[in-house]
Amino acid sequence: SQTIHQWPATLVQPVGSPLSLECTVEGTSNPNLYWYRQAAGRGLQLLFYSVGIGQISSEVPQNLSASRPQDRQFILSSKKLLLSDSGFYLCAWSVYWTGPKGTEAFFGQGTRLTVV
Amino acid sequence: DQQVKQNSPSLSVQEGRISILNCDYTNSMFDYFLWYKKYPAEGPTFLISISSIKDKNEDGRFTVFLNKSAKHLSLHIVPSQPGDSAVYFCAASEGNFGNEKLTFGTGTRLTIIP
Repeated sequence: SQTIHQWPATLVQPVGSPLSLECTVEGTSNPNLYWYRQAAGRGLQLLFYSVGIGQISSEVPQNLSASRPQDRQFILSSKKLLLSDSGFYLCAWSVYWTGPKGTEAFFGQGTRLTVV
Repeated sequence: DQQVKQNSPSLSVQEGRISILNCDYTNSMFDYFLWYKKYPAEGPTFLISISSIKDKNEDGRFTVFLNKSAKHLSLHIVPSQPGDSAVYFCAASEGNFGNEKLTFGTGTRLTIIP
């Protein structure tokens, strides 16, 4: 069965410090991978998605970057955190069904990032 | 540009009654619609879905209705139970293999009152 691991679960970082959040997926190959952010009043915002190693698409201009060094590894980074980067970050992978679901996304447990 | 909108940030419903969560979308290319449920400090989990060729899909206490002409869908939960208290996200995709991004709404926090 497939599992998705995301760490750390919580993180408190000072403004201007770097960030690295890691996500790995087990039990599937060549998954589509995503980073979402849940910020207060803004729902689930898609930040980045990747359809393969080294292939990253950015959905919104921001202070963050993403990398996919291996097939099942997705990393979210920042060189200098801003206060506005605080939020709940979720990694996900997806599978496309030909049935009634279309795309189904499976999420990690999330990382609560607080920038102080 | 918010392509999927949930205009009610919160909803309170008495236990045993019907909960109705609404979602509107603007992208006419969306072909699949999903509802996710999220508890605090956890990732969202899939609840129920519907494709655009249907107008209703039912799974136990959960029913999703789709009005494609109005670009509107709703999730009905009946009877509502305390364990249903969570944030519910509506999501949509264009349904093409290779264009599989899910676009999520802003969420509705449902509180079931015992």
